Amino acid sequence: DADVTQTPRNRITKTGKRIMLECSQTKGHDRMYWYRQDPGLGLQLIYYSFDVKDINKGEISDGYSVSRQAQAKFSLSLESAIPNQTALYFCATSDSPSSGIINEQFFGPGTRLTVL
Amino acid sequence: DAKTTQPTSMDCAEGRAANLPCNHSTISGNEYVYWYRQIHSQGPQYIIHGLKNNETNEMASLIITEDRKSSTLILPHATLRDTAVYYCIVRVVRAGGTSYGKLTFGQGTILTVHP
Repeated sequence: DADVTQTPRNRITKTGKRIMLECSQTKGHDRMYWYRQDPGLGLQLIYYSFDVKDINKGEISDGYSVSRQAQAKFSLSLESAIPNQTALYFCATSDSPSSGIINEQFFGPGTRLTVL
Repeated sequence: DAKTTQPTSMDCAEGRAANLPCNHSTISGNEYVYWYRQIHSQGPQYIIHGLKNNETNEMASLIITEDRKSSTLILPHATLRDTAVYYCIVRVVRAGGTSYGKLTFGQGTILTVHP
């Protein structure tokens, strides 16, 4: 089974709809991240969480919100989807600083979101 | 974090070494060089990282110049499965601070391995 899973893998929705993308991990990592990727571009950080009680905005948080329901779960919501939020969304996890390869992030398979 | 510059694209013949350059001329003393790759539409995958010494693992080698202003990722025997976008990222590594752990991805280098 994959260590980092994302649901749904593909979603088509309409402008103005509320959408939730979910991420689950079995790696036991404290840190989780949400990125978006537009065609031909690198990844941009939306939100990140260093533990269950910690939520931080990334580079492009406007129009998005997140919820860290448990150590293993981190959800991304689009309260009112708009067409320029059409992108590929990745969830990632990483270990805490005291162990593992610092800054190695493990990515999920991605969610392809299309907003019409 | 220091900015990185990579060529937009490169080609490599299967079985040959692929050498991917990265310029990070503004790197500071506590910044590490990381390499990730992304195979088409999949999540990025960690490859290797280093501070100032050359590093090697089962996937690749990382050569960092003595002045640390540039580095080269080497895939010793490229295969078709190595066709991907390769990202060079420079990051501060420290035990605390709110910026810890974030990765900033640029546009990377599209490596195409051909038969």
